[in-house]
Amino acid sequence: DVVMTQSPLSLPVTLGQPASISCRSSQSLVDSYGNAYLNWFQQRPGQSPRRLIYKVSNRDSGVPDRFSGSGSGTDFTLKISRVEAEDVGVYYCMQGTHWPPWTFGQGTKVEIK
Amino acid sequence: EVQLVESGGGLVQPGGSLRLSCAASGFTFNNYWMHWVRQAPGKGLVWVSHINSDGGSTTYADSVKGRFTISRDNAKNTLYLQMNSLRAEDTAVYYCARDDSTVTQSIDYWGQGTLVTVSS
Repeated sequence: DVVMTQSPLSLPVTLGQPASISCRSSQSLVDSYGNAYLNWFQQRPGQSPRRLIYKVSNRDSGVPDRFSGSGSGTDFTLKISRVEAEDVGVYYCMQGTHWPPWTFGQGTKVEIK
Repeated sequence: EVQLVESGGGLVQPGGSLRLSCAASGFTFNNYWMHWVRQAPGKGLVWVSHINSDGGSTTYADSVKGRFTISRDNAKNTLYLQMNSLRAEDTAVYYCARDDSTVTQSIDYWGQGTLVTVSS
């Protein structure tokens, strides 16, 4: 099974400042066609998860452009250019290249300092 | 608008059974793979099971294999999870989730979840 490791697990951020979350996989997420199925989800307190990014860097409709995804192979990053109060929550990476199982990172809790 | 509404959760004793349902609307249900994902209280997301669009292929996490069965009724736009031999460690919010297997090949929409509590 592919193990997804996120860091940090807790991220206090000042409003308006950038934030960055790392996600590493135990093996390359690139398939034989050159696609990497690495996704990012946001879970606000008391809510269901919401997808932000799919296939490493594609932002979902309605997701603010302050969110961006990057990376390749085994190393991936979610960046928030300027954190807003509504960004508080837990962020998860998830791989869908080597399934089953689909696997998630442990989650990174973003909070306001 | 895509909607996924889970039901069927509740309190059950260890060793008992429960069937979860997920009613789908706002999209052509029989075109999509579906998943169950669970989240224990205060913990992270854990994938449980998947079913392809016609129900002919299913996969399970090792922790539930042989105890849980995923199924779907495309005529009723409904996904199911039959859970048998329940254990305390199965206590969690269970989410159904849609998989856009043709375009993004990723889970894209989630339901609101239903809480399953296994306790005597």
